[in-house]
Amino acid sequence: GENVEQHPSTLSVQEGDSAVIKCTYSDSASNYFPWYKQELGKRPQLIIDIRSNVGEKKDQRIAVTLNKTAKHFSLHITETQPEDSAVYFCAATFSGNTPLVFGKGTRLSVIA
Amino acid sequence: DSGVTQTPKHLITATGQRVTLRCSPRSGDLSVYWYQQSLDQGLQFLIQYYNGEERAKGNILERFSAQQFPDLHSELNLSSLELGDSALYFCASSLWGKGKETQYFGPGTRLLVL
Repeated sequence: GENVEQHPSTLSVQEGDSAVIKCTYSDSASNYFPWYKQELGKRPQLIIDIRSNVGEKKDQRIAVTLNKTAKHFSLHITETQPEDSAVYFCAATFSGNTPLVFGKGTRLSVIA
Repeated sequence: DSGVTQTPKHLITATGQRVTLRCSPRSGDLSVYWYQQSLDQGLQFLIQYYNGEERAKGNILERFSAQQFPDLHSELNLSSLELGDSALYFCASSLWGKGKETQYFGPGTRLLVL
């Protein structure tokens, strides 16, 4: 069935270090992979997304990589700052024009 | 600001009661989605509407129902409320179709059932 697995569920890093969150998906026909950041009590906000015809996309300190063969994609945050502390959700589309399927989230804590 | 609005921001009610949550999508978006997020949990997809029609259904309880009106705003009705229904309820909107899948979330309605 349609499934997105996200790891790890929690992640603590020292300020200035890098953080990596990985998601795997079950449908090889998936073609859109967004990442959302949700601060405590706030709405999820799109921070970066990638489509299946691209292997990597970067926006300042944030990058997403996609490996279609292995069916996984990852979020990379470099030079982490305390304001990066939040829950991050990955998501993917599946065939059949269905809505996004979200991973269960990763709680990132950046320790100053 | 995503352009998606939700009212009310907060709602406190008692078990057994019924409430209605309202969502207005971004200008131009035809699709509306409802999600439930319990404390420290992920986003549980409830239901999607597209241009007034139900498009996809997730793990929505029979006590819950939704609709999308001709002006494209949507309402989520929760009835016979239980303590476990206390959660953040998000609405999101998008265009629809390939290349238009990005969902934009509203600020949410925090429901507390006592």
